[in-house]
Amino acid sequence: AQSVTQLDSHVSVSEGTPVLLRCNYSSSYSPSLFWYVQHPNKGLQLLLKYTSAATLVKGINGFEAEFKKSETSFHLTKPSAHMSDAAEYFCVVSWPRGSNQGGKLIFGQGTELSVKP
Amino acid sequence: NAGVTQTPKFQVLKTGQSMTLQCAQDMNHNSMYWYRQDPGMGLRLIYYSASEGTTDKGEVPNGYNVSRLNKREFSLRLESAAPSQTSVYFCASSERGGGTNEKLFFGSGTQLSVL
Repeated sequence: AQSVTQLDSHVSVSEGTPVLLRCNYSSSYSPSLFWYVQHPNKGLQLLLKYTSAATLVKGINGFEAEFKKSETSFHLTKPSAHMSDAAEYFCVVSWPRGSNQGGKLIFGQGTELSVKP
Repeated sequence: NAGVTQTPKFQVLKTGQSMTLQCAQDMNHNSMYWYRQDPGMGLRLIYYSASEGTTDKGEVPNGYNVSRLNKREFSLRLESAAPSQTSVYFCASSERGGGTNEKLFFGSGTQLSVL
């Protein structure tokens, strides 16, 4: 079965320090991978996506993620955290139409990022 | 640009009551989705509509029904609400459909409490 696991439910960093949010997936296929961000009381917004092109993907607001097939990981990073980055982050996988998931999206459990002044 | 609009934003129901959550998008997207978000569980797909006139079950369809009224609108109905349906509900849409490698656009959510 395909799945996605976010390894930390909560991450706390100081402003100006690096951010690392971890995501692992399991799959029999080559998935498409996404990171979404949800600010308090808001809907979700796409940060970046990987679709089998470059393994290092750059997104909005200075975030990037690296697809590592050998580690089945797609960790999200940012060199320097801002207060405005405090939010919940979701790692998401989608499977090809030919897979038993029929192209649906599977969301991770979410990682809450806190940024301290 | 309105994007994806959900109503209502908040709702409190008693067990056994029924209600319909409304969703509309103005981006001419083919596909629409309903998700529920529960603490520690991420978002789970309830139903989706790959194109106008079609609907399919997602991961957690029990207790819900949907209607794709037209290309713009996709409603979610709770016929007999249960406390287990207390959640935040998100409607989303995408251009081509099937949730493959394309971007989803989300509404701002409906916070539902069932007492």
